[in-house]
Amino acid sequence: AQTVTQSQPEMSVQEAETVTLSCTYDTSESNYYLFWYKQPPSRQMILVIRQEAYKQQNATENRFSVNFQKAAKSFSLKISDSQLGDTAMYFCALWFNNAGNMLTFGGGTRLMVKP
Amino acid sequence: DAMVIQNPRYQVTQFGKPVTLSCSQTLNHNVMYWYQQKSSQAPKLLFHYYDKDFNNEADTPDNFQSRRPNTSFCFLDIRSPGLGDAAMYLCATSRPLAGGGNIQYFGAGTRLSVL
Repeated sequence: AQTVTQSQPEMSVQEAETVTLSCTYDTSESNYYLFWYKQPPSRQMILVIRQEAYKQQNATENRFSVNFQKAAKSFSLKISDSQLGDTAMYFCALWFNNAGNMLTFGGGTRLMVKP
Repeated sequence: DAMVIQNPRYQVTQFGKPVTLSCSQTLNHNVMYWYQQKSSQAPKLLFHYYDKDFNNEADTPDNFQSRRPNTSFCFLDIRSPGLGDAAMYLCATSRPLAGGGNIQYFGAGTRLSVL
């Protein structure tokens, strides 16, 4: 069975500062994909960033980057220059080829960006 | 432009009164999902369609049914809503990526209240 764990239920950060959200996972699959999804209050969930397990290079998308440690099964999200619009629930998720098109989600981290 | 559209955004029903939630997509994705999400929790997959093939999660209550009359539309029917069914219901679609893996696109959700 696959599991995804987010150990930080809530976090806060000052505007313009950097914050890191943690995620660990467990899978016996060798070919899998990891995602961070963002769900702002009362708005739809959107993909922030994705990482292919076979790639060693960490994915980056503008102010968002990941630290993918495959051996440790760790996939943290770093948000640089935090903005008020980054306030949201963040979900880490795992997908693999034989998953039947299904994502395994972590429990989420609520991030509050303070002015 | 919204690509996964859920109607209505808010739905109030009475205990035991059947209710239907709808989802449509303009992405022409072959996979569609229904999730239940309770406050500050991760989405819980109820079922998904791969084209017309219906896949029910083992722990999805019989009270929940789904229909997918065509590629664009999918419906969630709750036959006899209980107080515990009050939640946000998310519809999502997915497509495979050229390099492997897939991405899910979410609607804004329907928040169901049961009185």
